[in-house]
Amino acid sequence: EVQLVESGGGLVQPGGSLRLSCAASGFTYSGHWMHWVRQPPGKGLVWVSRIRGDGTSTAYADSVKGRFTISRDNAKNTLYLQMSSLRAEDTAVYYCAREDIAAAGYFENWGQGALVTVSS
Amino acid sequence: DIVMTQSPDSLAVSLGERATISCKSSQSVLYSSNDKNYLAWYQQKPGQPPKLLIYWASTRESGVPDRFSGSGSGTDFTLTISSLQAEDVAVYYCQQYYSTPPSFGQGTKVEIK
Repeated sequence: EVQLVESGGGLVQPGGSLRLSCAASGFTYSGHWMHWVRQPPGKGLVWVSRIRGDGTSTAYADSVKGRFTISRDNAKNTLYLQMSSLRAEDTAVYYCAREDIAAAGYFENWGQGALVTVSS
Repeated sequence: DIVMTQSPDSLAVSLGERATISCKSSQSVLYSSNDKNYLAWYQQKPGQPPKLLIYWASTRESGVPDRFSGSGSGTDFTLTISSLQAEDVAVYYCQQYYSTPPSFGQGTKVEIK
């Protein structure tokens, strides 16, 4: 069974940093692109970032480019999102998501999410 | 960037009746080389993560009830729930994966009338 479990969320002050983790199990982790998608409270889904299975290619939404860094450790089956220079508008539930095996681009599985609150 | 627009924002349907949600993309998501529409639908129940329902615009994910169906091509797509059940109360999102950044519609909330 595919499992994605996020951790690392919490309350952080504006300008601060936080690192999210997503522990994956139940599939060949290195074979899949992985993504972060966020959902502000009461709002819709917004794509944040993605990383190729071998970690050699990444992409970011314009809203987080230069502030967030996605990475992965395939030996630990774990995905990361390092967030810095956080702003109030970064407040959201952050989901990690597994892309389909054929790398078409849709999200087959989602974690339960980690809440990040940016507030003073 | 491709903008996805869903309509309506919400709808209330009686149990056993049909629910229809529209999704329009600001440019075509049909890839001519393989004749596939890069369009997915997700269901999100309160307090839960999204769940994949349909991909390639009309292919149902394994385990998804056959009352859910997707149709359309190019820029206009539809998600249909043929006979609404109580457990279908949720917000539904379309998503294009034709180009980066992948983008979602704003969501359609489905309730029981």
